[in-house]
Amino acid sequence: DSGVTQTPKHLITATGQRVTLRCSPRSGDLSVYWYQQSLDQGLQFLIQYYNGEERAKGNILERFSAQQFPDLHSELNLSSLELGDSALYFCASSPLPQGFGEAFFGQGTRLTVV
Amino acid sequence: EDKVVQSPLSLVVHEGDTVTLNCSYEVTNFRSLLWYKQEKKAPTFLFMLTSSGIEKKSGRLSSILDKKELSSILNITATQTGDSAIYLCAVEASGGGSNYKLTFGKGTLLTVNP
Repeated sequence: DSGVTQTPKHLITATGQRVTLRCSPRSGDLSVYWYQQSLDQGLQFLIQYYNGEERAKGNILERFSAQQFPDLHSELNLSSLELGDSALYFCASSPLPQGFGEAFFGQGTRLTVV
Repeated sequence: EDKVVQSPLSLVVHEGDTVTLNCSYEVTNFRSLLWYKQEKKAPTFLFMLTSSGIEKKSGRLSSILDKKELSSILNITATQTGDSAIYLCAVEASGGGSNYKLTFGKGTLLTVNP
């Protein structure tokens, strides 16, 4: 167990809908990272937050947004969902204020868009 | 566009064999190279290599960064069935200002047979 908690574990929704994925980082970690893993694109970095502030942005679509709250949990919002958004979404946490290093991954949320 | 290429895509060995996984990259403003192991679900961090730390070792696993050749290798000696996993290579690069990018390769699927 990495100490990173993601909910829900599975989510099935229809095209055009909006969903929210939640992540609770390890105790003491201030950085949260979001990743998307799909069969065709592989693993992609989406975005990083550190102590409530956006620190790095990867291949995140404009239809997606994230935020980190004062209690350090983070939410990834996916809107106007398309079939191609079906993927495994990972959250990871670390104590690092910037960059990547030893981050601990949650078990992921499997999103299926039908 | 940043590019990370891993080879081979898959590999089947017998327990006790030694394997070498390769990762080559083309990125602008290289900062670090990371190796992850992904078994059933979440990736787990193995190593981070930078210009100031080009060689890392942990037990039977070791990794070397060749900045001249823009590549890295991950060695696993005396393989065990528990080493069966997808091994992911990722390269971190500066994206300008305080932004950072992380690009993943497609991974190498290692299968270790008893």
